[in-house]
Amino acid sequence: GAVVSQHPSWVICKSGTSVKIECRSLDFQATTMFWYRQFPKQSLMLMATSNEGSKATYEQGVEKDKFLINHASLTLSTLTVTSAHPEDSSFYICSSGSGTSLPDTQYFGPGTRLTVL
Amino acid sequence: DQQVKQNSPSLSVQEGRISILNCDYTNSMFDYFLWYKKYPAEGPTFLISISSIKDKNEDGRFTVFLNKSAKHLSLHIVPSQPGDSAVYFCAASPGGGADGLTFGKGTHLIIQP
Repeated sequence: GAVVSQHPSWVICKSGTSVKIECRSLDFQATTMFWYRQFPKQSLMLMATSNEGSKATYEQGVEKDKFLINHASLTLSTLTVTSAHPEDSSFYICSSGSGTSLPDTQYFGPGTRLTVL
Repeated sequence: DQQVKQNSPSLSVQEGRISILNCDYTNSMFDYFLWYKKYPAEGPTFLISISSIKDKNEDGRFTVFLNKSAKHLSLHIVPSQPGDSAVYFCAASPGGGADGLTFGKGTHLIIQP
């Protein structure tokens, strides 16, 4: 299957700072990327859907001004957690797909563990 | 309100026997269902999927059954192997690749030697 990478794999930051997480599709062009968040022993929750060149669509309850998503190219999407607080500590996972094919072709990245002190 | 439910947080099965993981859903708009395997601190790995027009899909040791009237699906793994020990997530989609997935909470499968 396709390869999706995330960087960094883990990050620790102070409360009030901003953190940027990168998601790259390494061997195909991803017109759509999805961002998920997973709290311990919980399911992966879809946060937002980003399409290359357009604004991201956020799920209900997700603050778009806090979680800034940029999908400037077909191989890169970034999630910036602004003014991070301890409750933002979570495992953030991206996935990429072609946008028109079946859900099987959503390839997940390895995730980023964010810890906010 | 959880739209995809996996009611068993964990399941222990002896090596060589059949593992059956269950999943229920409530949203009638879901048209496509997927199973993922996940290890801690890693992203999910796709295992097998099924469209709502089918009631069974098989791939090697993995078979997924869908009972649309009961809004229930199950993943059968036979024979179970030690390497199958992981958390298994059931996910659902309205059908298109442009839609995000709705996940259950996962079932931790433990294969006993």
